[in-house]
Amino acid sequence: DAGITQSPRHKVTETGTPVTLRCHQTENHRYMYWYRQDPGHGLRLIHYSYGVKDTDKGEVSDGYSVSRSKTEDFLLTLESATSSQTSVYFCAIRGGSETQYFGPGTRLLVL
Amino acid sequence: EDKVVQSPLSLVVHEGDTVTLNCSYEVTNFRSLLWYKQEKKAPTFLFMLTSSGIEKKSGRLSSILDKKELFSILNITATQTGDSAVYLCAVQTQGGSEKLVFGKGTKLTVNP
Repeated sequence: DAGITQSPRHKVTETGTPVTLRCHQTENHRYMYWYRQDPGHGLRLIHYSYGVKDTDKGEVSDGYSVSRSKTEDFLLTLESATSSQTSVYFCAIRGGSETQYFGPGTRLLVL
Repeated sequence: EDKVVQSPLSLVVHEGDTVTLNCSYEVTNFRSLLWYKQEKKAPTFLFMLTSSGIEKKSGRLSSILDKKELFSILNITATQTGDSAVYLCAVQTQGGSEKLVFGKGTKLTVNP
């Protein structure tokens, strides 16, 4: 499982509330990624990080921010959740052979 | 804009059949192509392909890349019900972050 955990695994929240998802890795990988997966769209990159305090936007970054203050943790924040952000969120790390490995995912429902 | 297209989007077969899943791509700065299997949870890595014409094989699964025609195929022989899953194709681009661009996946259902 490449030592990746995500928390929470499930969350229900209301429109307009802030939400933070956490990705934690135990293997000191430099690159970390946040994706969302929606029916009909597949996996889409939200943000990624290439080191502590080094982050950049992906394909669908609007409405999301990220932070990485430690190598092992990559946080995804929805500042004011909307129903369109209901999705399954996957964190990934880039491991050996430059392959990306995924965490177990977080199911987020915004009512 | 980088694009990855998988076909078919869904496929239903009987146990023992052989299936071929297709992935075509249009990306700038191609680095590699990856296949993942997803069964109601996180995608799990199957293969990474970087060179044309070299088959990667793992048990009943195999894959090959054609960098001239910009496509890859994933073959599964003697399918089993446990092969039922969504198969994702992704292309990794060069340029520092090595981002993945995913196709929408092929949903394979193997009936007994």
